Formats: sequence, C-alpha cells, structure tokens
Amino acid sequence: DVKVTQSSRYLVKRTGEKVFLECVQDMDHENMFWYRQDPGLGLRLIYFSYDVKMKEKGDIPEGYSVSREKKERFSLILESASTNQTSMYLCASSLIEGNYGYTFGSGTRLTVV
Amino acid sequence: TQLLEQSPQFLSIQEGENLTVYCNSSSVFSSLQWYRQEPGEGPVLLVTVVTGGEVKKLKRLTFQFGDARKDSSLHITAAQPGDTGLYLCAARNANSGYALNFGKGTSLLVTP
Repeated sequence: DVKVTQSSRYLVKRTGEKVFLECVQDMDHENMFWYRQDPGLGLRLIYFSYDVKMKEKGDIPEGYSVSREKKERFSLILESASTNQTSMYLCASSLIEGNYGYTFGSGTRLTVV
Repeated sequence: TQLLEQSPQFLSIQEGENLTVYCNSSSVFSSLQWYRQEPGEGPVLLVTVVTGGEVKKLKRLTFQFGDARKDSSLHITAAQPGDTGLYLCAARNANSGYALNFGKGTSLLVTP
C-alpha cells in the first residue's frame, strides 16, 4: 500500500524551539509539498519541492524552511516556533506530470505553547 | 493566487437525502480535483476532471466540470453516514505550476 508517512501525529513544543516535521513517501514521486490547515482558512501552501535539493516558496513561507536531501524525504523546519504556528501540518506528494493528484500523509497536529 | 470558492460551507442532512456542493472561480483551469478529508486524516483524492462539460461518476457521487472550466459541482445521491467529511476542490496554482490551490471546503454531516 503506497503511502506518505509523517513522523508524528501530535506534537507539543515551546515558543522559540526549533521544530522539525518529517515526511517520507514510498512512491518515487518527484513533487513534495507542505501545507498547513487552519479552521476558516483552509489549506495553505508553505513550501514545495519538485526535485532533490530544489525548493520553492508557497503562499506563506515566512517562519519556515525546508530540506530535501533525498527524493523520498521532505522536512519542514520551524526555525523559532511561535504560537501562531499552532496548526495541522499536511505533507503530500505527487508525480510531476499532468493531472495526477496528491497523496497526503495523515497530518501532524502541532501545538506551540 | 486563484481563489476557489466552495459552497455551502456547512451541510447537515439526513441519511438518504441528495445534495450538491459547488466550487467556483473566476479563473479557467486545465483540470480540477475533488478530495474528501475525514477528521484527523489527510485528504484523499476522489476524482480529477479535465474536459469542459465532463461528468464523472464514482458510485453515488457525480462530478461535473463546467463548460468554461471555471467551476465544478459534486452531487451525492442517497447520502450515507459514511459520506460525512470535508469535501475540498483543488486546482493548479498559476504561479507555481506543480502546486494545488484548495478551496476552504464543504463540511458534510450525514446523520442516520
């Protein structure tokens, strides 16, 4: 069964901490994405990557960075966590061509206190 | 960023009823996708529509892409409690070709 795996379902961190969210896919997909999902705001794109070591800013990249050292792994980094980064974080992957859809992970619910 | 507007925002119906949810934009899309998200999980792809006027069926779910490729609808016949979830439409972002923009979703509750 193909899948996207996010390392943690729930995470509680303190303000100012550096936070790493890990995402691994086993489908050999070229594209990987990070979104955050908030009530009333929907899914918003943070960063995406279409190849190893490549990254592109999405709509809300401020306060975040990413790393893609291997094709199957895409990490989201909160450099200094703040309470307004409390959210559900969703990782997804897709093939690069055409109209293929995303495969999402189950999400990481991050609370920053 | 193209705006995808979904309506209604919330829908609560009884088992066996029919319903339609809508996804509208002022932009033209080469394709549009529908996802369903259950609580505590990531969205799951239901369908991709590509051609203007296209209709696709998935059991009791019927998806239609508007003739002008600016809008889409999802019709559920004889809804069941298992249809409960958040229905999201999505289309490719003109500024970042591989990434999808999502609507805010329609939250559907089907009660027995």
